[in-house]
Amino acid sequence: AQKITQTQPGMFVQEKEAVTLDCTYDTSDPSYGLFWYKQPSSGEMIFLIYQGSYDQQNATEGRYSLNFQKARKSANLVISASQLGDSAMYFCAMREAPLNRDDKIIFGKGTRLHILP
Amino acid sequence: DGGITQSPKYLFRKEGQNVTLSCEQNLNHDAMYWYRQDPGQGLRLIYYSQIVNDFQKGDIAEGYSVSREKKESFPLTVTSAQKNPTAFYLCATETMTVREQYFGPGTRLTVT
Repeated sequence: AQKITQTQPGMFVQEKEAVTLDCTYDTSDPSYGLFWYKQPSSGEMIFLIYQGSYDQQNATEGRYSLNFQKARKSANLVISASQLGDSAMYFCAMREAPLNRDDKIIFGKGTRLHILP
Repeated sequence: DGGITQSPKYLFRKEGQNVTLSCEQNLNHDAMYWYRQDPGQGLRLIYYSQIVNDFQKGDIAEGYSVSREKKESFPLTVTSAQKNPTAFYLCATETMTVREQYFGPGTRLTVT
């Protein structure tokens, strides 16, 4: 079974609109961390935002926010006021038991976002 | 500047040849990782190392080898035993706080 599911292979959004990228995860561990990464066409992976399973509030970083719905095992990324430079591949990822040094990050298959001028 | 260096950005090899991909970091991070990415796919873990002189296999280690003789360096060798070596290879290091990973620019390997 997939641990991280990103159901939108591709999205087209008009510039300046808000964007929501979906991510659902599967874990039985009560302690876990969720990450979002951006991969532009250059290939480099850029860390965007982190949400811990025990965090009381949704994480925010500038124009990025994470809509964390624990009961639904959902961790959607919201980008406000999208810009042309937001066009990229976006990956959701999870680490179970973040304090366990043997644990690894598991990545979803990604969503390709296209921002239209 | 602190960061992760991967060289070269593009690498071409003939089938049957071993090739070594370089990954160097000056972030002073203990843990380093190698991932493989195929078109339209997420990242798959090849090998990782949490301390010098120690490393563990990831999910797709067959046909690859690594070494970790220095904290700053974690080279990956793609051997001739790797059936489909053509891919994009990413190296990452990890912090010990929330444990997010920082990635290098990647090496695109093409084997013909």
